[in-house]
Amino acid sequence: GAGVSQSPSNKVTEKGKDVELRCDPISGHTALYWYRQRLGQGLEFLIYFQGNSAPDKSGLPSDRFSAERTGESVSTLTIQRTQQEDSAVYLCASSSTSSYNEQFFGPGTRLTVL
Amino acid sequence: GNSVTQMEGPVTLSEEAFLTINCTYTATGYPSLFWYVQYPGEGLQLLLKATKADDKGSNKGFEATYRKETTSFHLEKGSVQVSDSAVYFCALRKLGGANNLFFGTGTRLTVIP
Repeated sequence: GAGVSQSPSNKVTEKGKDVELRCDPISGHTALYWYRQRLGQGLEFLIYFQGNSAPDKSGLPSDRFSAERTGESVSTLTIQRTQQEDSAVYLCASSSTSSYNEQFFGPGTRLTVL
Repeated sequence: GNSVTQMEGPVTLSEEAFLTINCTYTATGYPSLFWYVQYPGEGLQLLLKATKADDKGSNKGFEATYRKETTSFHLEKGSVQVSDSAVYFCALRKLGGANNLFFGTGTRLTVIP
């Protein structure tokens, strides 16, 4: 079956521009997570969606970052007024309610801010 | 707070050598512990997990035992293969609240024939 997909796979943008990253979770997975991996560092949690509950935004690094999710499907992560330190691989993961202990990851979007 | 510290790499081993990648954690309560692997050109995937103290997770010849007394979850394999070359991430999920994972920085393993 289809796994988690993300688009675009690569994005190069200029400092100050806005970017939108997309994640399609596995069908039926109610939980969706965004992480960021900067070069040489581990993955940092950004935001978590669970069904129709209010998202947990505790990992968002600044108010330039926001994310939305439509029901239990697609999610978009938006970064406004991008900065060079936003350059990273952005990973999306999803999991089912019955097994939060296994998160399935997408291939990531590599964002480069010039 | 919650954090994971894992052995820095890169690690280079000859085929059939013994592998240990150290991982220690800091967490409140009793987290679940994981090893994820990222093969070249592929996404992160779960390798093994353990959800309580003294549990041993195992998969593909890899093992890790949840040691509460030493807050560790070291990854081991008795005989590595070239196909094990990848980046390995130790992670924890705390009980309650968001179900997000806290990751270590990753250890790159290269196995040479």
